[in-house]
Amino acid sequence: EDKVVQSPLSLVVHEGDTVTLNCSYEVTNFRSLLWYKQEKKAPTFLFMLTSSGIEKKSGRLSSILDKKELFSILNITATQTGDSAVYLCAVELVGSQGNLIFGKGTKLSVKP
Amino acid sequence: KAGVTQTPRYLIKTRGQQVTLSCSPISGHRSVSWYQQTPGQGLQFLFEYFSETQRNKGNFPGRFSGRQFSNSRSEMNVSTLELGDSALYLCASSYGNEKLFFGSGTQLSVL
Repeated sequence: EDKVVQSPLSLVVHEGDTVTLNCSYEVTNFRSLLWYKQEKKAPTFLFMLTSSGIEKKSGRLSSILDKKELFSILNITATQTGDSAVYLCAVELVGSQGNLIFGKGTKLSVKP
Repeated sequence: KAGVTQTPRYLIKTRGQQVTLSCSPISGHRSVSWYQQTPGQGLQFLFEYFSETQRNKGNFPGRFSGRQFSNSRSEMNVSTLELGDSALYLCASSYGNEKLFFGSGTQLSVL
């Protein structure tokens, strides 16, 4: 059975801290791995990763994929209270357009 | 460009009733997917439509159905509602094989 596992499930940090969120997967026919941020209801897209070892960056956020070890990490540096959200990791399979397999998410709380 | 629009935002129904949820994708997006989100199970894929055809389907009972219209708008229907159907229903649209853009969802409560 295809599955995506995120850790930790929740995390509390203080502003300015750096955090690393983990996502491991066991799937057949991997196509891509995606990260989303869900603050209230609508998950918003962060990164799509398809190749191993290539870091993607957007401001204070970065992510990398390891297709050999089947995991990805999402780093957030100099955290701010606005980073508080649930971070979702999802995997898309080849031939399964629109069907993402999601992990349960990591709930990040950033305290001032 | 307007985002993915879902209506209604909130819905309260009783067991045994049926419900229809609506989703308007981003202009130009022809693929629409539906997901159910619950605290226990997280986000689970329901089905995906492209050009009015269902291309993929998740592991949900036949009470859950959907359709897509020629303008790419989509509806999903749940018949004979059960308490366990209470959830946030999210719609997402995409262009080709690109990333999904999600709407704000419809929060369904079944009493």
